[in-house]
Amino acid sequence: TQTVSQSDAHVTVFEGDSVELRCNYSYGGSIYLSWYIQHHGRGLQFLLKYYSGNPVVQGVNGFEAEFSKSDSSFHLRKASVHWSDSAVYFCAVSADSNYQLIWGSGTKLIIKP
Amino acid sequence: EAAVTQSPRNKVTVTGGNVTLSCRQTNSHNYMYWYRQDTGHGLRLIHYSYGAGNLQIGDVPDGYKATRTTQEDFFLLLELASPSQTSLYFCASSDAPGGRQNTLYFGAGTRLSVL
Repeated sequence: TQTVSQSDAHVTVFEGDSVELRCNYSYGGSIYLSWYIQHHGRGLQFLLKYYSGNPVVQGVNGFEAEFSKSDSSFHLRKASVHWSDSAVYFCAVSADSNYQLIWGSGTKLIIKP
Repeated sequence: EAAVTQSPRNKVTVTGGNVTLSCRQTNSHNYMYWYRQDTGHGLRLIHYSYGAGNLQIGDVPDGYKATRTTQEDFFLLLELASPSQTSLYFCASSDAPGGRQNTLYFGAGTRLSVL
């Protein structure tokens, strides 16, 4: 059984700060990992994904995520956040043997001016 | 850009009421999904479909029916709504099974309240 954990329900930073949103998963086989963003009142939008190759993947709007097999993690990072990055961020995983996505509970990113 | 349209955006009904949520995608995608989103639970899959006339059961199907009438249209039916079905519902589409390196495209959501 796959599980996804986003340990931080809320993260608050100042505009211009760097940020890391954490995602940990449990599964022993080949997996797909992705991040989605949900702005207030809107549907989820794809940010980036990883399956194999370079463990650091680049997404839209300056976001990147790094896969770590040893830590079972896929943390999302941004070097300098903008107020428009305020949103809820969801991590999702799926196994090669079962393509259904399992979603984390989301992390709300709050940007202070 | 992929487009998924949900209607209505908001719906209030009473316990025992009959509700239909609609979803249309104009992406020519084969797969469509219905999720519910509740605080602390992330997204949970209710039903999905890989083509007109097809229906697959998701992780939380109890109390829900769904029907895929065309490649574009996917409906979620609550025939005897209960307060536990108060939630934010999302429809999504993808070209191939979600997760197999494919991107899901989401609608804006329908907020349902069952009184």
